[in-house]
Amino acid sequence: EDQVTQSPEALRLQEGESSSLNCSYTVSGLRGLFWYRQDPGKGPEFLFTLYSAGEEKEKERLKATLTKKESFLHITAPKPEDSATYLCAVHHRSSNTGKLIFGQGTTLQVKP
Amino acid sequence: EPEVTQTPSHQVTQMGQEVILRCVPISNHLYFYWYRQILGQKVEFLVSFYNNEISEKSEIFDDQFSVERPDGSNFTLKIRSTKLEDSAMYFCASRGGQGAIYGYTFGSGTRLTVV
Repeated sequence: EDQVTQSPEALRLQEGESSSLNCSYTVSGLRGLFWYRQDPGKGPEFLFTLYSAGEEKEKERLKATLTKKESFLHITAPKPEDSATYLCAVHHRSSNTGKLIFGQGTTLQVKP
Repeated sequence: EPEVTQTPSHQVTQMGQEVILRCVPISNHLYFYWYRQILGQKVEFLVSFYNNEISEKSEIFDDQFSVERPDGSNFTLKIRSTKLEDSAMYFCASRGGQGAIYGYTFGSGTRLTVV
């Protein structure tokens, strides 16, 4: 069964305290792994797409990496405005329509 | 930056009533989706729509649900007879193409409360 699992469920950091969020997946042929940010009561906001193991992408304080079984979202020197829920989602080869399978998310709180 | 627009932002309805959730996808996008998120749970796929027909649907998307693209710009989700368990945030998304390079853009969602 295709699954996406994120850990931890919740993470509290002090401003400036770097950390990583994990997304592990078991899908039949990965077409793409997506990271989204979701603020309370809002829709997912696109951050990154990763396609193949070894790929890395960066945006400001965020860096996403991908292996054959998992992806990490590294947050360097976070600020309070980085507080949000971070969602991981995968698009796999058995879906021709682009269906995404989401993880349950990691809720990040950054305290000043 | 192009946006996916959803209306209304919040809808309260009586159990058994019909509701229509509306979405305006990005204008040159070809693939359209509805997802839902029950409070505290994962975002779940409901249905995908391409070339004026449903291309894939989940087990959740039963006969009570239907989708339409009536005028080439709007994309609607109809729930014929709402149940308490339909209470959730409903997200519309659109995509420019089928290849892996095409990203998904989500709307801000409609919070549906069934009472």
